[in-house]
Formats: sequence, C-alpha cells, structure tokens
Amino acid sequence: GAVVSQHPSRVICKSGTSVKIECRSLDFQATTMFWYRQFPKQSLMLMATSNEGSKATYEQGVEKDKFLINHASLTLSTLTVTSAHPEDSSFYICSAREGQPFNYGYTFGSGTRLTVV
Amino acid sequence: GENVEQHPSTLSVQEGDSAVIKCTYSDSASNYFPWYKQELGKGPQLIIDIRSNVGEKKDQRIAVTLNKTAKHFSLHITETQPEDSAVYFCAASYPNQGGKLIFGQGTELSVKP
Repeated sequence: GAVVSQHPSRVICKSGTSVKIECRSLDFQATTMFWYRQFPKQSLMLMATSNEGSKATYEQGVEKDKFLINHASLTLSTLTVTSAHPEDSSFYICSAREGQPFNYGYTFGSGTRLTVV
Repeated sequence: GENVEQHPSTLSVQEGDSAVIKCTYSDSASNYFPWYKQELGKGPQLIIDIRSNVGEKKDQRIAVTLNKTAKHFSLHITETQPEDSAVYFCAASYPNQGGKLIFGQGTELSVKP
C-alpha cells in the first residue's frame, strides 16, 4: 500500500536554530500534503495544507514565517521550524493524499519528535 | 467552523467486552470518516474508514456506523483484547477546504485482562 517516509524520527536542537523535517511519498504522487502537530496527550492539530507547486495554506494561529513548508515535487514535502524555541517541542506528523477529489486516501508518516533545548 | 467532537476521552473495559466511541462533526459536506489507532511515539494507523454513501462498515471485530442526518459516527470494537489498548482518534474530511482532515480529541482505551 501507500507509504510515506518521514525523517528524522527524532531530533534535538538548540534554541534559536532551525530544523527541517522531510516527508516522502514512496510509491504514489502526493498532490496534497498536510502537516500536523501533536502535544503530549492531545490530538493532532492541523498546521497547514500544501499542494504541489503552490504556497501552503496555514491554519489560524500558525505562523507561516516560523513554519516554512515546501512542496516542490509530487513526492517530497518539507517543514522547516525556524528559530526554534522550547515551546516548539512537539510531535510533528505529515499526511499525504494522492489523486483527485474522489480518492480519499490519506497516508501518514511515522512522525518526528522535536525537542528544543 | 471545523469541529469534530469525540467521546469519551477515556474508556476502560474488561477483556472480551465491547467498546464504543462516538464522534460528531460540524460540516454537512464532510464525506470521509476514518478511525485511527495511535500507539505511543508513533504516527496514527488507519483501522477502518467509512464514506458518506454507506451507513455501516465492518471488518472482523471492528465496525463503524455513520448517521449523516445527525452528523455523527461511531466505532464499535467487539471481543476486546489487551492489545486493543491504545488511543483512538476519529476524523472527518472537509472537502470544501482542501480536503483537510480534522481530528477528534482522542479516546484512551484500556482493556483489562
């Protein structure tokens, strides 16, 4: 079935530095990519939606200049957390969707645990 | 706005009993309703889904029902086993908003042997 490879699985960075998270669709074309953030014991909160070749659409309250999303190809999307601070420590998960509106499949990555120290 | 409400937040059952988790959604245009199981430190794993053109779907011990009029859907797990213990999330799609998937708050299911 469809697989999304997300890397790294864990990352620790110093406050003020930037971190890049990658998601690759291995056997399908991800026309749309969704990025979520999950704090401990909470639900997945949608941060942004990106379509290949277009600017990402950010959810209310999510800083687009802090969380940079690039979806330059149909198989790769990246999330860069810029000038990370301890409050950005969280579990980040991507989800890729292929095809046209009547293809409902959403495939999730395995997540990235970001710790900012 | 987009909203998915999920209840209960925690559920404890005895092994062999059934477990039911309920969700409601806000947008009548929503047309896809997946359920995910998430284990600690991992991404969500799809366990069953239902589309708006059917009212019920079953896969072995797991079933999902959908009531479009009332805008609610439920997950039913029968003959629960200790390995069913995890956090379960429902979600609803919003096709008029880029197809985004909005999640419920989650239910922590504990199956006691």
